[in-house]
Amino acid sequence: SSELTQDPAVSVALGQTVRITCQGDSLRSYYANWYQQKPGQAPLLVIYGKNTRPSGIPGRFSGSSSGTTASLTITGAQAEDEADYYCHSRDSIVDHRELFGGGTKLTVL
Amino acid sequence: EVQLVQSGAEVKKPGESLKISCQGSGYSFTNYWIAWVRQMPGKGLEWMGTIYPGESDATYSPSFQGQVTISADKSISTAYLQWSSLKASDTAIYYCARRSLRHCTDDLCSSWFAPWGQGTLVTVSS
Repeated sequence: SSELTQDPAVSVALGQTVRITCQGDSLRSYYANWYQQKPGQAPLLVIYGKNTRPSGIPGRFSGSSSGTTASLTITGAQAEDEADYYCHSRDSIVDHRELFGGGTKLTVL
Repeated sequence: EVQLVQSGAEVKKPGESLKISCQGSGYSFTNYWIAWVRQMPGKGLEWMGTIYPGESDATYSPSFQGQVTISADKSISTAYLQWSSLKASDTAIYYCARRSLRHCTDDLCSSWFAPWGQGTLVTVSS
């Protein structure tokens, strides 16, 4: 099926490492991209492609992919990383169709 | 600087029409697809559709096909999202975003959304 599945909520202790996952059949053909969204703000691209950070995104953010699962890892989570995170990929079945995961609310304790 | 600037917040009544805009700058507007994304209050991101301004070729999510119209005027580097008859359930923030060109590495490909517009809040209430 053409959809991306994320856990609704994840928590991490300050300074620890957290992994946010995204599952979907389209990930066999397309890398997941990851967006961070804080309250009242537009989404912000944090990881794209195989594992590339846009300019200005801290090095503690990284991405990986295996089979139908993609992951966003934050190594040494900071208080400012508390946000909603969305994965996104192209649909591997319908050309030009885009898929978003349902989002994961990250809480930094 | 590549930038997308959206039109301001709107308050409308059910049944009214509306057209919101997204103006691109700092790049060749006709060479990149522009997507529209809905975010209902307290909910996640939903892809609505995408347009290629160079040819005004639009693709819609099945969930939004027939409910909205996506268009573009390349002469002023602006994409539009319009409704002919709004419903209360259209209340949401609407974002536009530029889709990158497709890149492939190690047998997988990717295209991503960046930058995003600041969002347009549409409120539909009687």
